[in-house]
Amino acid sequence: NAGVTQTPKFQVLKTGQSMTLQCAQDMNHEYMSWYRQDPGMGLRLIHYSVGAGITDQGEVPNGYNVSRSTTEDFPLRLLSAAPSQTSVYFCASSSGQSQETQYFGPGTRLLVL
Amino acid sequence: GESVGLHLPTLSVQEGDNSIINCAYSNSASDYFIWYKQESGKGPQFIIDIRSNMDKRQGQRVTVLLNKTVKHLSLQIAATQPGDSAVYFCAEKGGSQGNLIFGKGTKLSVKP
Repeated sequence: NAGVTQTPKFQVLKTGQSMTLQCAQDMNHEYMSWYRQDPGMGLRLIHYSVGAGITDQGEVPNGYNVSRSTTEDFPLRLLSAAPSQTSVYFCASSSGQSQETQYFGPGTRLLVL
Repeated sequence: GESVGLHLPTLSVQEGDNSIINCAYSNSASDYFIWYKQESGKGPQFIIDIRSNMDKRQGQRVTVLLNKTVKHLSLQIAATQPGDSAVYFCAEKGGSQGNLIFGKGTKLSVKP
């Protein structure tokens, strides 16, 4: 199993641009989530999904959209990038519909100029 | 409000010594706790977890202790090795949506 994969590894955007961060898992996990990690802030939940076709907002959802059309994929869309969205983004998944024992991807570093 | 914090932001230990990383939580209703290790440039890696009906759980060289009376969680690493150098995060499952709430992390440095 590849586990949780994320692309790209690094991205530079200009303010106002849009982009999609890709996340995929091959463990047949129902639960998937997106976090952002900022210095001194720990991990903060952006959006999550308990299964295909179901998404919900986390702690910091503004400026981001998600969809879950398949069990494997959970893309995160930045609608209009802002410098405040400069961060490291992690996707995670866990079995069942629980957030317990989440497995994380390697992360995407995003710089918004 | 809910919070998960760490007593020490950095911890430096000698190789071979035992390490103890502490974590405080504020939500007495939290029923699940988990520790992650994050090496530089990588995603968090699961270490060990514990449910609120337990006081102690052991893994390979790691032990998690839960003290519900004072809402305190600790991670003990036995015979710390250079490969243990990383940032360690605790998290509790107790948010309004049952989400994991992460602490800010403790950086563990192991001196050879």
